[in-house]
Amino acid sequence: AQSVAQPEDQVNVAEGNPLTVKCTYSVSGNPYLFWYVQYPNRGLQFLLKYITGDNLVKGSYGFEAEFNKSQTSFHLKKPSALVSDSALYFCAVRVFTGKLIFGQGTTLQVKP
Amino acid sequence: GAGVSQTPSNKVTEKGKYVELRCDPISGHTALYWYRQSLGQGPEFLIYFQGTGAADDSGLPNDRFFAVRPEGSVSTLKIQRTERGDSAMYLCASSQQGSDTQYFGPGTRLTVL
Repeated sequence: AQSVAQPEDQVNVAEGNPLTVKCTYSVSGNPYLFWYVQYPNRGLQFLLKYITGDNLVKGSYGFEAEFNKSQTSFHLKKPSALVSDSALYFCAVRVFTGKLIFGQGTTLQVKP
Repeated sequence: GAGVSQTPSNKVTEKGKYVELRCDPISGHTALYWYRQSLGQGPEFLIYFQGTGAADDSGLPNDRFFAVRPEGSVSTLKIQRTERGDSAMYLCASSQQGSDTQYFGPGTRLTVL
């Protein structure tokens, strides 16, 4: 079965420090991977995606993600966290029918 | 440009009632998706339209749930005989022909009392 796992319910970092939000996946074939962010009472905002090509993908708001095929991971990273980055982050994989399968989400808390 | 819009933003209903949730996709987007997000969970797929037809409805939980997209633009998710377990955020997303990226609306929060 195809699935996505986000092993951390919450990640806490200090403002200015680097952040990593972890994601691992299980799919058959080549994965199409996505990161979305959700602010309270809002819909999901697209951050970035990996389809093919370079393993390091750059996205919106200074975020990037590293695709690692051998570890079946797609971790979200940012070199210097901002308080405004505090939100709920979802990793997702697209299956061949077009639908997205989401992880459970990770709450990122950035403290001043 | 305008994003995906969903109405109403909030809907409170009583158990057993019928509800309709509306989604207006981004203009020109041919694909439209419905997802359901329960508190503390990731969104779960319900149904996917390509144009007017449902290309994949494997996520609809039972026959109380139905969705239409008669003109290939606006879509309506219909829930009959609502149950308390239907309470959730219902999210709609759309994407362009040939694109993998789905853009989400703000959602409709449904509460069944």
